Amino acid sequence: GESVGLHLPTLSVQEGDNSIINCAYSNSASDYFIWYKQESGKGPQFIIDIRSNMDKRQGQRVTVLLNKTVKHLSLQIAATQPGDSAVYFCAENRGSGGSNYKLTFGKGTLLTVNP
Amino acid sequence: EAGVAQSPRYKIIEKRQSVAFWCNPISGHATLYWYQQILGQGPKLLIQFQNNGVVDDSQLPKDRFSAERLKGVDSTLKIQPAKLEDSAVYLCASSTGLAGGSGEQFFGPGTRLTVL
Repeated sequence: GESVGLHLPTLSVQEGDNSIINCAYSNSASDYFIWYKQESGKGPQFIIDIRSNMDKRQGQRVTVLLNKTVKHLSLQIAATQPGDSAVYFCAENRGSGGSNYKLTFGKGTLLTVNP
Repeated sequence: EAGVAQSPRYKIIEKRQSVAFWCNPISGHATLYWYQQILGQGPKLLIQFQNNGVVDDSQLPKDRFSAERLKGVDSTLKIQPAKLEDSAVYLCASSTGLAGGSGEQFFGPGTRLTVL
């Protein structure tokens, strides 16, 4: 079965609010995680990544938090906008190291932003 | 910089027919991936190439699926014969493949396959 899962399949927020999307993983050896955004009819688009030697990383309006103790990952989106409406996937790397990245994706969370 | 190109964007076939998908990765990217994404699920890796060699094809149904990347650039994925459960979006992605580099994979728009 899949080791990367999401707590909530759907999330609905008001425009301007902050969004938090959660992800649980089961492989404690995973060393790298990525969040992707997928809009309808498009391929996944990279948002932000984090390595296992970090517990927080910030980008533009997005923050990823990694809690290795409970094997939990979250994506925080500040001041959510209608353009943020999409399915969000977390993915963990199970590659053998070096340049070999092998991503395992979870099922995704559908984020809907209400105007 | 041009992104990952895929064609066709849509394909409808009947079961037991054959189909092929084409992918052109970002220029200079050594690693190329094919994923299958069934509706409502995350992408599942089918095969990974490093240049023209296969790194991982453990989840590729080899009795009906095949893929090649003969010159280490473009790649084709073929299904022969197709089954109803092959209906999905087939995504191609590429990455730099550099040791110590970012693991970011750049995805194409995908090919939506419908098997009737």
